[in-house]
Amino acid sequence: SQQGEEDPQALSIQEGENATMNCSYKTSINNLQWYRQNSGRGLVHLILIRSNEREKHSGRLRVTLDTSKKSSSLLITASRAADTASYFCATGFQGAQKLVFGQGTRLTINP
Amino acid sequence: SAVISQKPSRDICQRGTSLTIQCQVDSQVTMMFWYRQQPGQSLTLIATANQGSEATYESGFVIDKFPISRPNLTFSTLTVSNMSPEDSSIYLCSVHRGPTEAFFGQGTRLTVV
Repeated sequence: SQQGEEDPQALSIQEGENATMNCSYKTSINNLQWYRQNSGRGLVHLILIRSNEREKHSGRLRVTLDTSKKSSSLLITASRAADTASYFCATGFQGAQKLVFGQGTRLTINP
Repeated sequence: SAVISQKPSRDICQRGTSLTIQCQVDSQVTMMFWYRQQPGQSLTLIATANQGSEATYESGFVIDKFPISRPNLTFSTLTVSNMSPEDSSIYLCSVHRGPTEAFFGQGTRLTVV
């Protein structure tokens, strides 16, 4: 079964607003990553946060990780139409190469 | 980063036939991963392909249905055999750089009619 549950499943906001997506997982992890997928194409890696980190920034992206709650959030600030995509969290495990992906959030930025 | 060339990008196939998807990486990698993404769903790992050994399949996926080849460290194929409409999905190959950061091909959108 899938490790990650994401909410909301779909999010529609106006350009310039901030978008927040959440991811929950079930077991201990080594790291958590976020990916973007445009129109059913290949996924693009956005950011990785390790299990001993609590917050990480990359440009307009801010990721938090709460290992006690087994949850993470992705914040996109000052959204743009080009941010319209599906966003997936993925969990990585110590000693294992494979990733387990969450269900994804479909984000629509309205001009 | 890694550049991955996956083909075909899309195909429409008749039920009962087979389709082979190719994945070429611009550098040598130990493991290559094959995922399926059903319409509106997340990615599910089909199998992990190592060069020189049989692929390791995840629960629910079998070699007879999804045979995989890995002839060298830069190339792999996934075959979807005896297709039915339920096999209509996007199929993605992936490799890792660093601990677990994944890079993906552009995907193969398969429609079975």
